[in-house]
Amino acid sequence: EAQVTQNPRYLITVTGKKLTVTCSQNMNHEYMSWYRQDPGLGLRQIYYSMNVEVTDKGDVPEGYKVSRKEKRNFPLILESPSPNQTSLYFCASSLGRNSPLHFGNGTRLTVT
Amino acid sequence: GQQVMQIPQYQHVQEGEDFTTYCNSSTTLSNIQWYKQRPGGHPVFLIQLVKSGEVKKQKRLTFQFGEAKKNSSLHITATQTTDVGTYFCAGPNTGGFKTIFGAGTRLFVKA
Repeated sequence: EAQVTQNPRYLITVTGKKLTVTCSQNMNHEYMSWYRQDPGLGLRQIYYSMNVEVTDKGDVPEGYKVSRKEKRNFPLILESPSPNQTSLYFCASSLGRNSPLHFGNGTRLTVT
Repeated sequence: GQQVMQIPQYQHVQEGEDFTTYCNSSTTLSNIQWYKQRPGGHPVFLIQLVKSGEVKKQKRLTFQFGEAKKNSSLHITATQTTDVGTYFCAGPNTGGFKTIFGAGTRLFVKA
């Protein structure tokens, strides 16, 4: 089954403790992206990747890192999480920039 | 910067009533996509519009792309309880590789 898999689904952590949210897709998609969803703000793009080793900032990249060492994986790294990064995070992939996005099930992160 | 605005933010309807959400971009879009997110779920792609003035239908859903390719609408005829959720429009930023989403319209349907 074609899918985007994110882990974990829920995560509670404390300020400053490094964490990684994993994302993997099995559709051989070139484009991958991370979004955060906050009430009233919709989906805001954090980082995206056009292909392996090619990543760029979205609209809200501060406090986040990504890597794209393999085509299928696109982990989101929070080196020193802060409470304002409490949010619902979605990973998505597509064939290309203008193609429909396939979303993972989301990761609800709480930073205390 | 480039913005995609969506109205209304919320809409409560009685089952059987029609519903429309509107999307406006600050710049011309090469295409626009619409997604639906059920409560507790993830966004799911509905449709993509590319041509100026394009109209597409999916059963009770009608999607339009404006002549100037800066606005779009989604109209649902005779809403059902299965239509509840948040509807998002999204478009690519000019000259870049980002996808910009509107804030979404949350639809509530009362049986």
